[in-house]
Amino acid sequence: EVQLQQSGAELGKPGTSVKLSCKVSGYNIRSTYMHWVNQRPGKGLEWIGRIDPANGNTIYAEKFKSKATLTADTSSNTAYMQLSQLKSDDTAIYFCAMDYPGPKGVMDAWGQGASVTVSS
Amino acid sequence: DIQMTQSPSTLPASLGERVTINCRASRGISNNLNWYQQKPDGTIKRLIYYTSNLQSGVPSRFSGSGSGTDYSLTISSLEPEDLAMYYCQQYASSWTFGGGTKLELK
Repeated sequence: EVQLQQSGAELGKPGTSVKLSCKVSGYNIRSTYMHWVNQRPGKGLEWIGRIDPANGNTIYAEKFKSKATLTADTSSNTAYMQLSQLKSDDTAIYFCAMDYPGPKGVMDAWGQGASVTVSS
Repeated sequence: DIQMTQSPSTLPASLGERVTINCRASRGISNNLNWYQQKPDGTIKRLIYYTSNLQSGVPSRFSGSGSGTDYSLTISSLEPEDLAMYYCQQYASSWTFGGGTKLELK
């Protein structure tokens, strides 16, 4: 069974950074893209960007280009997202998500979400 | 960037009712359209991929259709476990989600 286990809740002060992790079991992340999505309180889903763990190539949504940095460690099968220069507007739940091949076609898997609260 | 406009934002419906959620892209997306369900506990799963392909394990009462810029998700007969948020998502150019539809009991 493919599972994505995200790191725990983070409380960050304005102007600081946090780094979230997403550890994958049951599938080699080198064979897929890892996407990151956020959800602000009471709002919808918003795509942040994605990384190709095989080569480190990244694509970001325009508004997150200077906010998020995506990395991956294939040796531990873990993807990371660092959020910098935190502001109150970064308070949200952050999800990692990926596709993988299942017995009956492509499947998706999502992390459980990691809450980030920005407060002084 | 491709914008996705989803409607309605809230959909009151009765159990057993047929419901449809719509999604319009700001330009053609060549059927590169998925539908996701988010339950009240926050868990997210894909229901439909590439416009009309039912994800393995998803009940057959869910179906998707569309082309060009206009797409829809239909539930043929609403069950209690279907009360949730629904999002369309294009992947023709990066990803963009629609604003979401809250499916609630009438």
